[in-house]
Amino acid sequence: EAGVAQSPRYKIIEKRQSVAFWCNPISGHATLYWYQQILGQGPKLLIQFQNNGVVDDSQLPKDRFSAERLKGVDSTLKIQPAKLEDSAVYLCASSADRRSGGYTFGSGTRLTVV
Amino acid sequence: AQSVTQPDIHITVSEGASLELRCNYSYGATPYLFWYVQSPGQGLQLLLKYFSGDTLVQGIKGFEAEFKRSQSSFNLRKPSVHWSDAAEYFCAVVTPDGWGGADGLTFGKGTHLIIQP
Repeated sequence: EAGVAQSPRYKIIEKRQSVAFWCNPISGHATLYWYQQILGQGPKLLIQFQNNGVVDDSQLPKDRFSAERLKGVDSTLKIQPAKLEDSAVYLCASSADRRSGGYTFGSGTRLTVV
Repeated sequence: AQSVTQPDIHITVSEGASLELRCNYSYGATPYLFWYVQSPGQGLQLLLKYFSGDTLVQGIKGFEAEFKRSQSSFNLRKPSVHWSDAAEYFCAVVTPDGWGGADGLTFGKGTHLIIQP
């Protein structure tokens, strides 16, 4: 089966600019997650979708970050305006059933804010 | 809220030697436990997982992990490492009964494994 697709792979922007990341989960996976991985740290959950509804966005900096999953399939994560501390790898993952261990991660988008 | 501690930031092991990576978690009950590996520029690959039952879990690439409830630990082991095992290793947990269906993983900070020839 195809994996979790993310684009772009790399992005460099200046601070205060906006940026968007795209994720297409594994077909049939109802749950989609966005994680932020700062260099030298483990991934941190930003938001979880179940179909097109938000389940958990408690760690999403809502003043600058937004995410949507309009049709319950692919998703977009946006940052506006970006700060230097947003430099990180943004990982998307999807899951059909956590008990099956089916958290499948994409390769991520590496964002550098200069 | 749950938390995960990986006390070793870096570990250096000679090729062919045994390996143990430590992971401790903090949670009121037993969470679901995972080990992931991340190679440079790659996403996270699941090595193994524990939900319940036998406390010794076998995974891919010759890895195993042992859940010890009394120590709140889930250490990863491999009897003989290969140069290709050099990577970042992450322990992660999720609560079995997250509020409202919340089941995002909580990760440790990772352990960087270096293999010496």
